[in-house]
Parts: sequence; C-alpha cells; structure tokens
Amino acid sequence: KAGVTQTPRYLIKTRGQQVTLSCSPISGHRSVSWYQQTPGQGLQFLFEYFSETQRNKGNFPGRFSGRQFSNSRSEMNVSTLELGDSALYLCASSLLFAENTEAFFGQGTRLTVV
Amino acid sequence: GESVGLHLPTLSVQEGDNSIINCAYSNSASDYFIWYKQESGKGPQFIIDIRSNMDKRQGQRVTVLLNKTVKHLSLQIAATQPGDSAVYFCAENPPADGLTFGKGTHLIIQP
Repeated sequence: KAGVTQTPRYLIKTRGQQVTLSCSPISGHRSVSWYQQTPGQGLQFLFEYFSETQRNKGNFPGRFSGRQFSNSRSEMNVSTLELGDSALYLCASSLLFAENTEAFFGQGTRLTVV
Repeated sequence: GESVGLHLPTLSVQEGDNSIINCAYSNSASDYFIWYKQESGKGPQFIIDIRSNMDKRQGQRVTVLLNKTVKHLSLQIAATQPGDSAVYFCAENPPADGLTFGKGTHLIIQP
C-alpha cells in the first residue's frame, strides 16, 4: 500500500508570506504528526492530530498551525514566514493515537524562505 | 547571527563489521522507544522499536538494547553493509507528547 505522501516536495517562499503543506497518511491511519528538521535544531515535534482534533502540540509559535480532515489528510500552515522557518517539514502517520504506536514518515517538504 | 549546525557524531566502520550506535534519552516517563534511519533526501525510516518492559529486542540484523536505569539506548547492526550508511536517530515517546528525537549519529561504511 502507498506510504505517507507529502506535497509539494520543494517550496520557495518570501519572508512575510504564508505557506500550506499537505500530508496524506497511509490508508487506514488516523493519526498524523508534523515535525520540523533543521541542521541547527534537529528533528522537533510540531503537533499531532487524531480524528480531526489536535491532541498534542510542541513548543512552536502560533504562526504554526494545522488541521486534519475527515479522511485523515492533514495540512499545516505557517504564516508570516521568517528566514528561520527554512527547514524540512516531515509528516508521520500512525494507526491510532496512543503511545507505543509505530510512526511512518513521508519524504518531507523542503521549504526555503528567502 | 551565525547559524551553527549540529555536529553529528560520526561512526566509521568497516564493511562486514558490527556497528553499535548509542543514545541517551531524557524523559524517565517515556515507555516507548524507536530507532530511525534517515538517508540523504529522504524521511526517517523505521528500523526497530522497544517498549520499556523489555531490555532487548532483535530484528533482522539489528538489535536494540534499553537500559532504563541510566536512560540509555543502543542499536547494534550486524555485518554492516554499504546500504547501512545513513544518519541514525533514536526517539522516545513521552506520555501525552510527540516523539522526541536525539541528535543523530552519522554511520559511515568503509569498504
């Protein structure tokens, strides 16, 4: 079956703009998490959604938001982009919302802010 | 200001040797741990997981060891192959939180 699909793969935006990234989880998976990966900070948890509700949130400013649709697909949005938002944004899907559940990652969206 | 990247620890091993990658985790309440492999340009790929009620788990060519007393994880890769070259991350799953990742170790395979 298809893995986690993230679109677009690459994106270039200008400071001050906003961006929306999309994630389609593995079929049947209901939990979607988002992570930011940068050379300076490594992999950091952004938020997790399950059944269209945000269940957990990492330590990121309110400019970072997300949502999940009834088909489990998820989007994340970053408003008022800053240069420091340049990163690889990764989405992971899990079968259920719970600890002890294997998370499968997509290839990521590489965002460059200029 | 200047951006400083993470200086990933690097482990260089001969092809065919065994590799051991170590990781310290931070949250004593974490009860689930995962090792991921990330190749250049790709997302992290699941390798093996372990729950806190175990201290050892074996997969195909990989073994994870968990020492809860000192909050330490290790990943052992047997008979390392060129395709094992990647950055390896450990991750812990604290209660009511997302995965917390370690800084990563760059595994380099020497022919």
